[in-house]
Amino acid sequence: EIVMTQSPATLSVSPGERVTLSCRASQNIHNYLAWYQQRPGQAPRLLIYHASTTATGIPARFSGSGSGTEFTLTIAGLQSEDFAVYYCQQYNNFPPWTFGRGTKVEMK
Amino acid sequence: QITLKESGPTLVRPTQTLTLTCTFSGFSLSSNGEGVGWIRQPPGKAPEWLALIYWDHDKRYSPSLKNRLTITKDISKNEVVLTVSNVDPVDTGTYYCVHGGWYAAHWGQGTPVTVSS
Repeated sequence: EIVMTQSPATLSVSPGERVTLSCRASQNIHNYLAWYQQRPGQAPRLLIYHASTTATGIPARFSGSGSGTEFTLTIAGLQSEDFAVYYCQQYNNFPPWTFGRGTKVEMK
Repeated sequence: QITLKESGPTLVRPTQTLTLTCTFSGFSLSSNGEGVGWIRQPPGKAPEWLALIYWDHDKRYSPSLKNRLTITKDISKNEVVLTVSNVDPVDTGTYYCVHGGWYAAHWGQGTPVTVSS
């Protein structure tokens, strides 16, 4: 099973800042990586798939990069609605799909 | 517009079988490439993928839960059903139905399930 490691666990930031979240896979997953955002009390929603393709309806301030084992989600200019938990998920080797433990973006 | 909605019991006793139904719209599970899966999320923890069923009847299960899971589909009703046998309190969490064969492109609102005696 592929293990996904996200860092940091928590990120304290101010609105308007540029945010970078990291996700590392325990083995090569090529670009088969998705990012999700989960706001409190809501279901997760897809932000990015294939490591760098933005999902429909997702603001342009969200971008993804990376391949192999190292991946990054960047939020350019954090908005108030972006305070949430972000998860990465690999779909190269499955079953099972595996998720990281998440990074919580909180207000400083 | 793709929508999914989960339904099922909110409380289940240990050792019982949990049956959850996903009713969806906006796509057909008989169309090439389509898939519907289930993901659960224990309180305060990360999501955990459980099972997936494809348009061609292929089924995939989480290896750690494979012996307890069954996923089926009813094309005529636009429904996917997941059963979890012999439940335990560790099975407590929110269960989500998702659309997607590789990643979860669309999510239902989730249904909370508590396993307790």
